[in-house]
This record gives sequence, structure tokens and C-alpha cells, in this order.
Amino acid sequence: DAKTTQPNSMESNEEEPVHLPCNHSTISGTDYIHWYRQLPSQGPEYVIHGLTSNVNNRMASLAIAEDRKSSTLILHRATLRDAAVYYCILRTNAGKSTFGDGTTLTVKP
Amino acid sequence: SQTIHQWPATLVQPVGSPLSLECTVEGTSNPNLYWYRQAAGRGLQLLFYSVGIGQISSEVPQNLSASRPQDRQFILSSKKLLLSDSGFYLCARQAGRANEQFFGPGTRLTVL
Repeated sequence: DAKTTQPNSMESNEEEPVHLPCNHSTISGTDYIHWYRQLPSQGPEYVIHGLTSNVNNRMASLAIAEDRKSSTLILHRATLRDAAVYYCILRTNAGKSTFGDGTTLTVKP
Repeated sequence: SQTIHQWPATLVQPVGSPLSLECTVEGTSNPNLYWYRQAAGRGLQLLFYSVGIGQISSEVPQNLSASRPQDRQFILSSKKLLLSDSGFYLCARQAGRANEQFFGPGTRLTVL
């Protein structure tokens, strides 16, 4: 499975934008880029996904580099409830994925 | 509905005892189902996945096994638990054109 690389941790102030980066240099043409987040003692929650174009939904935006070797999850206004571990993964048609250790986002009031 | 049920929510078992964790899903039929394990402070490790009744693929060799006796039921088992089996066990289903995954609430297993 193609691998992703994320920073271990990031900090943000409340109500400021947050940009969470992810590198996936070995991505193949059919891999979707997915983002999930996990609150303590809960299962991961789907956030957003994309293939080539930038994507927006009610939770976040996903900016995908033109060569698709990196992407950035954007939280436009961080809230305390956005504090979580964020996972960037690649989803193949086979449906198997590798979840790395993710980025732990701390939001300061 | 994408609801996924897991039980029990928490479990404390002695080393060497058997294990059975159950996952059931609601919604469309013949979903792809997954078992993950998460150690404290770490990411998710894929253990098993299933594309249909009786079809199980193992990702990591270990003393765990999985079964899918019914379309919407996925069971994780062990004959003899090890200390290293402690962790947070998550069941997930796949849905959507981009193979999004939806996770259950998890089972916290502590092996003493």
C-alpha cells in the first residue's frame, strides 16, 4: 500500500485557520486521498476525500497538489472540538489502507 | 443507515483466555468489512477484511482469527489471548464511490 507522511503534531489557536499537510509521493493514479479524524476513545470519523481537484464540504477543505504527491487539509476556523488526531490515507480500489500515526492537533483557546 | 455496532465496549481478560468480539452493521447488503487494532497513541493496524460471507483476508499473522457467518456480522476471535493483544479494536465498513470507511465505536481490550 502507498504510504503517507504527516507531522506528528501541530498547534493552532481557536478561530484561526489550520493547514494540516500530508505527503504521498508514491500515490498511484487510482488512489483516492482520504482524511479522517479521531477523538479520544472513539473510532475515526470520515472528514473528506479527493482524487485530483480541490474539495470542500461542511467540515473542511482539501487542497491537492497538481502532481498529487501532497495534500493539505484545511480547517477554516479551528474550534476546541477540532482537537483530534488527523489521518491522511490513500484508498485503493482494493479497499485496503494503511493508517499511520497521524497528526495530533491541539487547539488553544 | 451506516450504523455499526460493536460489543462489548470494554473487556478485561486474563492471558490465555479466549476472545470473541462482535461487529454488526446496518444498511446495504454485502458490505466490505474490516477489523483494525490500535495500540495506545498509535495509528490503526489492519487485521482482517472481508468482501462477503465466509471470505476473510488476513493482513497480519498473529493469534487472532476472523469470521463472517452472516452478511452483516463480523467476528474477531482468539483461542488464547496474549498480553500484546491489548488495544482498541475497531470494526469498519466501506461505502461510497471513493471507498470511504465508517467506523464503529470500538472495543477496548485489556489483557492482564
